[in-house]
Amino acid sequence: QKEVEQNSGPLSVPEGAIASLNCTYSDRGSQSFFWYRQYSGKSPELIMSIYSNGDKEDGRFTAQLNKASQYVSLLIRDSQPSDSATYLCAVNSGYSTLTFGKGTMLLVSP
Amino acid sequence: NAGVTQTPKFQVLKTGQSMTLQCAQDMNHNSMYWYRQDPGMGLRLIYYSASEGTTDKGEVPNGYNVSRLNKREFSLRLESAAPSQTSVYFCASSGDIYEQYFGPGTRLTVT
Repeated sequence: QKEVEQNSGPLSVPEGAIASLNCTYSDRGSQSFFWYRQYSGKSPELIMSIYSNGDKEDGRFTAQLNKASQYVSLLIRDSQPSDSATYLCAVNSGYSTLTFGKGTMLLVSP
Repeated sequence: NAGVTQTPKFQVLKTGQSMTLQCAQDMNHNSMYWYRQDPGMGLRLIYYSASEGTTDKGEVPNGYNVSRLNKREFSLRLESAAPSQTSVYFCASSGDIYEQYFGPGTRLTVT
């Protein structure tokens, strides 16, 4: 069974710090990787996609992929209280479906 | 563009009642999905439709049926609601590169 693992947290960081969120996956054949942000009571929102090894930067967000280690991470620079949310890692598991991790709660304190 | 829309936003049912959750997308996506999200369980796929005219079971299909009415619309039906189906239901859609976009959700309570 394909699995995506995340630390449930909460991960607490002070405002202005770098938050590092990690995810491991079991299916070595996975090709597409996504990070979603979910505020309490809201729906998941896609914030990053990454398809090849290395880093991908978008504003304060950097996604990192290491297929050999089956590891994907999300770095949030200059963390803000508005970044406080649950972050979901998702992996393409064949056909058109995604397997989601259970998410890591991030708390950014002022 | 509205993206993915869902109706209703909230619903309370009694055990044994039936209802249909509606979902529509205006992004011309081929694939559509229904998930449920419960505390501690994460997002679980109920059913999906990879293209108009096809539907497939996901991880937790029991107690649900779906209809892909056309390319835009994908509905989820509970024939005889049970308290175990109390959850938040999300519809999503995706195009060719597997990025899924979610609707606002339906919060369902079954008493």
